[in-house]
Amino acid sequence: GQNIDQPTEMTATEGAIVQINCTYQTSGFNGLFWYQQHAGEAPTFLSYNVLDGLEEKGRFSSFLSRSKGYSYLLLKELQMKDSASYLCAPQDSNYQLIWGAGTKLIIKP
Amino acid sequence: SQTIHQWPATLVQPVGSPLSLECTVEGTSNPNLYWYRQAAGRGLQLLFYSVGIGQISSEVPQNLSASRPQDRQFILSSKKLLLSDSGFYLCAWSVLGTGSGELFFGEGSRLTVL
Repeated sequence: GQNIDQPTEMTATEGAIVQINCTYQTSGFNGLFWYQQHAGEAPTFLSYNVLDGLEEKGRFSSFLSRSKGYSYLLLKELQMKDSASYLCAPQDSNYQLIWGAGTKLIIKP
Repeated sequence: SQTIHQWPATLVQPVGSPLSLECTVEGTSNPNLYWYRQAAGRGLQLLFYSVGIGQISSEVPQNLSASRPQDRQFILSSKKLLLSDSGFYLCAWSVLGTGSGELFFGEGSRLTVL
């Protein structure tokens, strides 16, 4: 079957760094997405990895290891506005995104 | 630039009443269109997707139906709502074959069935 595993909730301090891990099992693989979703709003795209390694985009970086079925999202210099849920979504052989429940990130001053 | 809009944003409906949620995309042609539902604390559940006018694929058996009367219009409907239909409904579009096939979401429609 297809499965996504992320921590349910994490807490971090403003200005710090946090890493959100994601392990997945899918029928085929065509890349992995990370989305940010603020409470009551639609998800917005953060990053996409299709090859192994690190993709950096400003304060956010995403890493992928296809052989391990593992990805992480790294958020640096945390700001209060980063409080949100972060959704890991691998894409299967039919190019459909498989969604986990996401990780709720709480930022404290 | 491409935009996506869905409405209404919020809806409170009695059990047994009909439902119609609409979604339109602008600035792109022949997009793939999707309807998702998100229950509280749960992941996104794909309900329907469409690769063209009149072409609808249903992912899960349910009380809902979808239609695509025009290239950039996607409609989610129900004849008789159930309590379990409550949730946050999201329309999305993508264009496969360009870049990553990233999904772009509408603002969402929160449905409460009483």
